[in-house]
Amino acid sequence: GAVVSQHPSRVICKSGTSVKIECRSLDFQATTMFWYRQFPKKSLMLMATSNEGSKATYEQGVEKDKFLINHASLTLSTLTVTSAHPEDSSFYICSARDRKGHTEAFFGQGTRLTVV
Amino acid sequence: GIQVEQSPPDLILQEGANSTLRCNFSDSVNNLQWFHQNPWGQLINLFYIPSGTKQNGRLSATTVATERYSLLYISSSQTTDSGVYFCAVGGRGSGNTGKLIFGQGTTLQVKP
Repeated sequence: GAVVSQHPSRVICKSGTSVKIECRSLDFQATTMFWYRQFPKKSLMLMATSNEGSKATYEQGVEKDKFLINHASLTLSTLTVTSAHPEDSSFYICSARDRKGHTEAFFGQGTRLTVV
Repeated sequence: GIQVEQSPPDLILQEGANSTLRCNFSDSVNNLQWFHQNPWGQLINLFYIPSGTKQNGRLSATTVATERYSLLYISSSQTTDSGVYFCAVGGRGSGNTGKLIFGQGTTLQVKP
């Protein structure tokens, strides 16, 4: 299957700082990537759809100014958590689909963010 | 939007036992995937199965799209099968961009 790499896998930051998480498709091109958030012992919740070369589409209730998404190339999307607060601590995970239209999604390893 | 329900929420098995996990969804889909989330959080793709039946070793899955459900079978379970199993679907609607809606998961514990 296709490989999606996410970096970093774990990050600890201070309140008020910003954190950037990268999501790369290693062996395919992805016009669309997705960012999810998972709370402990809960399911994955879609935050936003990242579109190459255009603005991201955010799900209802997700603050676009808090969670900045950039999809500058066909293999890279970034999520920046701005002015992080302890309640932003969570597990963030990205997925990507092959631009060729195959609908199967592949996921990165996830990033565990802790804001202290 | 599409609703996804998984059952049972928790399952405890003795090693060697078989199990069936169920996923019900509320609308037509063009994507259905089963995942196993390992202890480190990574989602392992088990099956891409919007319809039909597939098998991979001790695991198999069946999706009956017309009746809006999918089943994941685990045979001869091993302790390494423990973890959370998620079903996720993508809708056929005009606004579908390929995003997945996840069920709440089934937490499986296999005891030696």
